[in-house]
Amino acid sequence: GEDVEQSLFLSVREGDSSVINCTYTDSSSTYLYWYKQEPGAGLQLLTYIFSNMDMKQDQRLTVLLNKKDKHLSLRIADTQTGDSAIYFCAEANTGGFKTIFGAGTRLFVKA
Amino acid sequence: DADVTQTPRNRITKTGKRIMLECSQTKGHDRMYWYRQDPGLGLRLIYYSFDVKDINKGEISDGYSVSRQAQAKFSLSLESAIPNQTALYFCATRDSTYNEQFFGPGTRLTVL
Repeated sequence: GEDVEQSLFLSVREGDSSVINCTYTDSSSTYLYWYKQEPGAGLQLLTYIFSNMDMKQDQRLTVLLNKKDKHLSLRIADTQTGDSAIYFCAEANTGGFKTIFGAGTRLFVKA
Repeated sequence: DADVTQTPRNRITKTGKRIMLECSQTKGHDRMYWYRQDPGLGLRLIYYSFDVKDINKGEISDGYSVSRQAQAKFSLSLESAIPNQTALYFCATRDSTYNEQFFGPGTRLTVL
């Protein structure tokens, strides 16, 4: 079945870049997402990329997609303490009824 | 006002008790979902609904039931709560354009 995997923890220093990686198994995925969960809150969409794109940039965020290797990454430039959260990778198909989420990567930002 | 609301936000109950978690949305989305979040396991789908008459089991539906009372309301019930149902529960809606999901703030449930 479909699966999304990501490492559970990442620790970086404030001002450094963070790179969170994810692999997925469903080659028919149309949309790939990064959601952010702050303490005590639900998930909120951070950014997404269509499967026919290789890269998407949005201010400090860069998403890279390697469709051949089924690998997705999220780079956060100039990481701030406010970026400390859990980041979920997810995938979905056009017309599909559900989104498959990874287990989430907890990002710790040290001042 | 929040687009997806959940009540209660926190609940402590005892083994064997029946409990209902409620979800309301103002997004106007037909699709609604209930997820359970456990540390290290991410989100697991319990039930989902495409409209009032269309309700489907997710990957971990045993021990849970749902009711879709209206397009805007989707409730989750634990008929006889057990300790391993202690978790964070999220309700979500889904738009049909980019399949983006909109989450409620979550209900932290503890079963003693």
